[in-house]
Amino acid sequence: DAGVIQSPRHEVTEMGQEVTLRCKPISGHNSLFWYRQTMMRGLELLIYFNNNVPIDDSGMPEDRFSAKMPNASFSTLKIQPSEPRDSAVYFCASSFHQTGLGYTFGSGTRLTVV
Amino acid sequence: KNEVEQSPQNLTAQEGEFITINCSYSVGISALHWLQQHPGGGIVSLFMLSSGKKKHGRLIATINIQEKHSSLHITASHPRDSAVYICAVSGGGADGLTFGKGTHLIIQP
Repeated sequence: DAGVIQSPRHEVTEMGQEVTLRCKPISGHNSLFWYRQTMMRGLELLIYFNNNVPIDDSGMPEDRFSAKMPNASFSTLKIQPSEPRDSAVYFCASSFHQTGLGYTFGSGTRLTVV
Repeated sequence: KNEVEQSPQNLTAQEGEFITINCSYSVGISALHWLQQHPGGGIVSLFMLSSGKKKHGRLIATINIQEKHSSLHITASHPRDSAVYICAVSGGGADGLTFGKGTHLIIQP
């Protein structure tokens, strides 16, 4: 398995633009997580899905952020409109439901909003 | 919400030294993870444990559930061990991780 695949690796966009980050979890994993890492706040959970259903989105900073998981092999995190304070590295991770075994992170997307 | 504290924040040591990184948390957990992050790189899961001790190569992780404390040890440290080591906990089921702020480890030749 190629691991958790995220795209793009780097994204530079102008303030106000829509940004879409993509994630392909490991096949067979049924829990998917979106995290954000900044220098100030470290790693934070944004949202997680079990069996494609969003379970906890309390970490999503505001309504500008939305996430979907239309099927077991794909998820998106969208920011609309983007702001400079959204600049961070966004990680996707997946694991086996309940056991947490096989917890695997993607390589991350470095987002810069100018 | 679980509070995860790591110490030390920064650690510089000489090659070959025995390294210990500590992690404490405030609320009962289902599992504790030790993660490694290299500069500019991704995050790798080193260990997931809920009791006792695990060993992988030169890395050893222990957890004391009663004391809500875990340690990560590196024996015979090497410059390639230089990275940020992050402790993270999960509360149960498939809920997400709560992270410590990380320990920046530098091993000098």
